[in-house]
Amino acid sequence: DAGITQSPRYKITETGRQVTLMCHQTWSHSYMFWYRQDLGHGLRLIYYSAAADITDKGEVPDGYVVSRSKTENFPLTLESATRSQTSVYFCASRGDSRGETQYFGPGTRLLVL
Amino acid sequence: EDQVTQSPEALRLQEGESSSLNCSYTVSGLRGLFWYRQDPGKGPEFLFTLYSAGEEKEKERLKATLTKKESFLHITAPKPEDSATYLCAVTGASGTYKYIFGTGTRLKVLA
Repeated sequence: DAGITQSPRYKITETGRQVTLMCHQTWSHSYMFWYRQDLGHGLRLIYYSAAADITDKGEVPDGYVVSRSKTENFPLTLESATRSQTSVYFCASRGDSRGETQYFGPGTRLLVL
Repeated sequence: EDQVTQSPEALRLQEGESSSLNCSYTVSGLRGLFWYRQDPGKGPEFLFTLYSAGEEKEKERLKATLTKKESFLHITAPKPEDSATYLCAVTGASGTYKYIFGTGTRLKVLA
C-alpha cells in the first residue's frame, strides 16, 4: 500500500540494548523525519534527512543514530537504550518544497525497562 | 524564538455544539501552518495546510482560518466521532526541516 509505514508498532526492550525502528515511505519524498511524542512536550524532532545519505540533527538527537542509504527507508537506532527513551516514535515525510505538508506514519510505542 | 501555543488544552462539547480551537504562533517568515487530527494510539492525520493570512479551508464539519498571529479550527455541529486531539504546527524561514508543533487540544464530543 502507498504511504508511510513503521515497524515494529510496539517494542519492549531493556536498558542498554540496541533497538532499531524502521520507517518506509512509498511517495519518493526527499525529506524524512523522526519525532518522539511525550506528554507535555508535543512532537520533538530527533533527526531529519533531506535525501539519501544526507542526515542532520534535530532538537533531541542524543542517544540516537540514523542512516538513509535508500530514499524510501529511514531507520532510527537507539544504540544503548535508556528509560528516558521510553516514548512514542513517529516517522514523517514530505516533498521538496518549503512549506510542504508532512505526512506521518502510525508510530512505534517503545518501552525501555 | 519560533513558538506555537494551542488553547484550550481540553474541550468537552455536546453533540451539535459548535466551537473553535485556537493556535497562536510566532514564527519568522511563515511558510505554512498545518492542522492535524490525532486519535489515541495513532499517528497525526493531516487535515489542512494554510499559507497566508486570510486563507480559509473547509472539510466536512471543520473549517480552518489564518491570520498573521493565529489560526482557528472551527468545528460546526460536532459529532462524537470528531473526538480526538487536534495538533497545530508551523514552519517558517528558519529552516527547511523545522516544524514547530503545539501540544494540542483534546476534544471530547458527548452524544
